Amino acid sequence: AQKITQTQPGMFVQEKEAVTLDCTYDTSDQSYGLFWYKQPSSGEMIFLIYQGSYDEQNATEGRYSLNFQKARKSANLVISASQLGDSAMYFCAMREARGYGGSQGNLIFGKGTKLSVKP
Amino acid sequence: DTGVSQNPRHKITKRGQNVTFRCDPISEHNRLYWYRQTLGQGPEFLTYFQNEAQLEKSRLLSDRFSAERPKGSFSTLEIQRTEQGDSAMYLCATTKTGAASTNEKLFFGSGTQLSVL
Repeated sequence: AQKITQTQPGMFVQEKEAVTLDCTYDTSDQSYGLFWYKQPSSGEMIFLIYQGSYDEQNATEGRYSLNFQKARKSANLVISASQLGDSAMYFCAMREARGYGGSQGNLIFGKGTKLSVKP
Repeated sequence: DTGVSQNPRHKITKRGQNVTFRCDPISEHNRLYWYRQTLGQGPEFLTYFQNEAQLEKSRLLSDRFSAERPKGSFSTLEIQRTEQGDSAMYLCATTKTGAASTNEKLFFGSGTQLSVL
């Protein structure tokens, strides 16, 4: 079973509008972390935002906010006031406390959503 | 802070040849990961090092793949007898581990794009 599911292969948004990118996850751990990364065409993965499973408030970082609904196991990324430079692939990722194969630290990624911002 | 550096950026090789990629981590980052990313997919874990020790390898890492991190600094990933299925972006990521593990963010390099003809 997939650990991270991103159901939107592609999204379009008008410049200056807000957009929500969906992410659902699957884990039996109580302690885990959720991340969003941006990957422009240059290839580098850029960290955007983090949400811990025990954090009661939704994380925010500038124009990025994470809509964390623990019971639904969803961690949607909200980008406000979209800019042309936001056009990129966006990946949701999870790290479980027990980690991959018993180790810690490995991030498990979804397949990504390609966001295109229209002028 | 010069970021995570990967070389080369692009590599084109013929099937059956050996290739080697290099990753230079951010200074003082003791944990280093290798990921592989194919078109339309998210990065997939290959292996990771804690200092110079290779602590885990994915089932994706066949016997033709080997990674090293001598002296706990830079790392190399070698693929022997390359196959067309090895064509992918190979990403390196590093972090400095602390007491808390779930919130450590990974810093990625720009990757090496491998094309096997």
